[in-house]
Parts: sequence; C-alpha cells; structure tokens
Amino acid sequence: EAGVVQSPRYKIIEKKQPVAFWCNPISGHNTLYWYLQNLGQGPELLIRYENEEAVDDSQLPKDRFSAERLKGVDSTLKIQPAELGDSAVYLCASSPPSGSPGTGELFFGEGSRLTVL
Amino acid sequence: AQSVTQPDIHITVSEGASLELRCNYSYGATPYLFWYVQSPGQGLQLLLKYFSGDTLVQGIKGFEAEFKRSQSSFNLRKPSVHWSDAAEYFCAVGEGTYKYIFGTGTRLKVLA
Repeated sequence: EAGVVQSPRYKIIEKKQPVAFWCNPISGHNTLYWYLQNLGQGPELLIRYENEEAVDDSQLPKDRFSAERLKGVDSTLKIQPAELGDSAVYLCASSPPSGSPGTGELFFGEGSRLTVL
Repeated sequence: AQSVTQPDIHITVSEGASLELRCNYSYGATPYLFWYVQSPGQGLQLLLKYFSGDTLVQGIKGFEAEFKRSQSSFNLRKPSVHWSDAAEYFCAVGEGTYKYIFGTGTRLKVLA
C-alpha cells in the first residue's frame, strides 16, 4: 500500500515569491491534515479536511496561506507571498474513517522542506 | 487546553542500555496517547498508541509505553537500545480521534 506522498521534498525560494506543496493521501483516507514543523519543534496543525471540507483551519494564517482539497483526495497548500519566517517543514498526514483499521492514527508523508531566502 | 510536555530535549544512551523517554500531558478527559518517531529528513512514524484498556502498550521496534493516569504520564521505554534507534521522538495527545497536540520532541543519540 502506498503511503502519503508529498512534493516537492525541498524548495528554496526568495521572500515574496509564491510556493505550493502537494499531498496525495493514502487511498481511502478521508481525513487530511497539513502540519507545520519548525526546527526543533513538534508538528503544529495548520488545517484539517474531512473529505473536501476544511473543518479546522483556525491555525491557518489566511492572509498568506491557502489550501484546497478538490474532490476530497489530493490537497495543495499555498503560500503567497512567502516570508523568511515560513522556512520550515510542511507535513501532510492522513487518517482513515472512524471504525476502519488505523482509526485515530496519523499517517505522515516525508514532508516538504521550505527555505525562504 | 490540552498540552504535552517532553522535559528532555536531548538524551544520550549507550547501545544496549535501557531507555525511558518522559511524556506528561494535560487533558481533562481520558486522552488518546501516541508516540511517534522521526528519523532525519523523514516524516513521523507511529510507534504505539493508547486508547483504552491495558495501560501497558506494546509497539513496534521493541518499544513499550505505560499510561499512568495519576501522574498524567505516558513514558516510552525500551530495554535495550540499538544504534538504529537514534532519532527524534514525539509524544502526542489526541482529543477524540482527530485533534492532536504534539510535544516538542526528544532527540535520542546512541553511543556505540
């Protein structure tokens, strides 16, 4: 079974430029998360989707960050414009429907490391 | 509000020695508790989880953890550490099955 796939793995951009990250969750996982992981810290939730609906985006800085999950499968996280402080790892995770094997577990991708110069 | 504390930022042990990583949480109800491991440049992998029942849970790679309600703790243990266990370990508490708070992590170094 394929895991959570993220791309790109690494991205270097100059400040004020836009950037986008893509995530393909595990097949059948209806819940998708985007987490921010700063150096030396644990993941912090940016947004959670149930199918195509964003059910928790309270921690997403909406002035510059946006996300979408069209058709309830793949998701894209965008930053425009990027700032120096956005340098971090952006992790995507998915989890299966309640009652399915793996309920309550997060399955993480390898992350997208962003460096803003 | 939920919170998770991992008091040890770095831990160094010799290969073959025992290991205990500490985790304390703050949560009003019975929490869902997790330990994840992250190798450099990788995502997080679940080691073990506690939802209910037996308070001593077994995980992958020879790890175990014990839920102690009276101490609000969920410490991770391994009787004999291998060099490949060097990584960063994150404790997490879940509110239900969809909202998770992660600790700041403990970086484990293993001496040969």
